[in-house]
Amino acid sequence: GAGVSQSPSNKVTEKGKDVELRCDPISGHTALYWYRQSLGQGLEFLIYFQGNSAPDKSGLPSDRFSAERTGGSVSTLTIQRTQQEDSAVYLCASSIPDSMNTEAFFGQGTRLTVV
Amino acid sequence: DQQVKQNSPSLSVQEGRISILNCDYTNSMFDYFLWYKKYPAEGPTFLISISSIKDKNEDGRFTVFLNKSAKHLSLHIVPSQPGDSAVYFCAASEGNFNKFYFGSGTKLNVKP
Repeated sequence: GAGVSQSPSNKVTEKGKDVELRCDPISGHTALYWYRQSLGQGLEFLIYFQGNSAPDKSGLPSDRFSAERTGGSVSTLTIQRTQQEDSAVYLCASSIPDSMNTEAFFGQGTRLTVV
Repeated sequence: DQQVKQNSPSLSVQEGRISILNCDYTNSMFDYFLWYKKYPAEGPTFLISISSIKDKNEDGRFTVFLNKSAKHLSLHIVPSQPGDSAVYFCAASEGNFNKFYFGSGTKLNVKP
């Protein structure tokens, strides 16, 4: 399809293990975002990539979280030494930033459960 | 410190009536505002947006109102339909559009 694709859709991991979450943005979208939604909460900004600029990592909650975007397309969010409080739905979005029409298109999310 | 707030976690409306969802923000530098709708197990989908140069934007049954002096926006859905039942998030961004700040969402239930 032409939308934002995330994998896996569900991930259960043991506390202390590392996980990688993948996002394929819409082709041609230069901006890519990661958000997470914990139970009963809003969408929490994690990180933003725009073209070749340095990513905005200001939302990453700890140094256990990191993200890469290779070739300006696919992005991977890595969580090291997972903790139970990392359990959430991790959402990726992409957009074409311009001054007129800048909505972000979201993927279906990855539900991460740390047991 | 949440810069975008949705103070009503839930709203129940009868089919055919108007639904009004509210959102407040604290950052006066926000100049672009959006509403998203989210169904369970799906990602949020864009619904409607408004730039700070306008105070109203309408798209079919959906109208967004912006009151900059009050730092308040609202989404009106009329007439409401059962298929509108979802969680609605408002979001805001500044001129560089590099970060969308989201509210905590309002769960709308439209009763048949």
